[in-house]
Amino acid sequence: QVQLVQSGAEVKKPGASVKVTCKTFNYTFTYYYMHWVRQAPGQGFEWLGWINPKSGDTHYAQSFQGRVTLTRDTSIKTAYMELSRLTSDDTAIYYCVRDLGSVAWGSARAFEFWGQGTLVTVSS
Amino acid sequence: QSALTQPPSASGSLGQSVTISCTGTSSDIGGYNYVSWYQQHPDKAPKLLIYEVNKRPSGVPDRFSGSKSANTASLTVSGLQADDEADYYCSSYVGGDNLVFGGGTKLTVL
Repeated sequence: QVQLVQSGAEVKKPGASVKVTCKTFNYTFTYYYMHWVRQAPGQGFEWLGWINPKSGDTHYAQSFQGRVTLTRDTSIKTAYMELSRLTSDDTAIYYCVRDLGSVAWGSARAFEFWGQGTLVTVSS
Repeated sequence: QSALTQPPSASGSLGQSVTISCTGTSSDIGGYNYVSWYQQHPDKAPKLLIYEVNKRPSGVPDRFSGSKSANTASLTVSGLQADDEADYYCSSYVGGDNLVFGGGTKLTVL
């Protein structure tokens, strides 16, 4: 079955950066868009952006432009999300999420498979 | 892009039906047929219930259905079961390769 396994919890100081890893299993990594979303404690979801694992093309939500970087390593079927200039407002669970749609047919704009989440805590 | 508007809570009795709304604008829900719904149990990752307004992924019971009218999308859960008690979130495409979520609705099964 499809699995997305994320790296462990992180604690960072304000102003620092964090990089979250998402290793994938049991599907062709380059066939599906990968998104990143986050959920602050007790709050709803916020979409950060997507990466096309085949081409490396990315698109970021306007509110994260300049602070978020999505990358991938196709040789190890792994996606990465790096967020810089952290503040306490960035404290959240970060999820990698596989698109329902494929790169070949286009994004379905829906999130089919979710990682287990990575808690990022920003505190001085 | 502002979040979509959902009621904070909804409730229904076992076996009954409940409908959760998700209100946006003509720039998101009203402009595209890319509305999705997700179910999240406490401390769990969300599960996709509905995509493209009214389509169900394989394995999702037909008790869950989606619809849209103008700028408002709706999720109906029929034949409520105890395990349906969870948080529900909508999302919509907003153009320009961007997506936005609703604030979430906590469903209580009485």
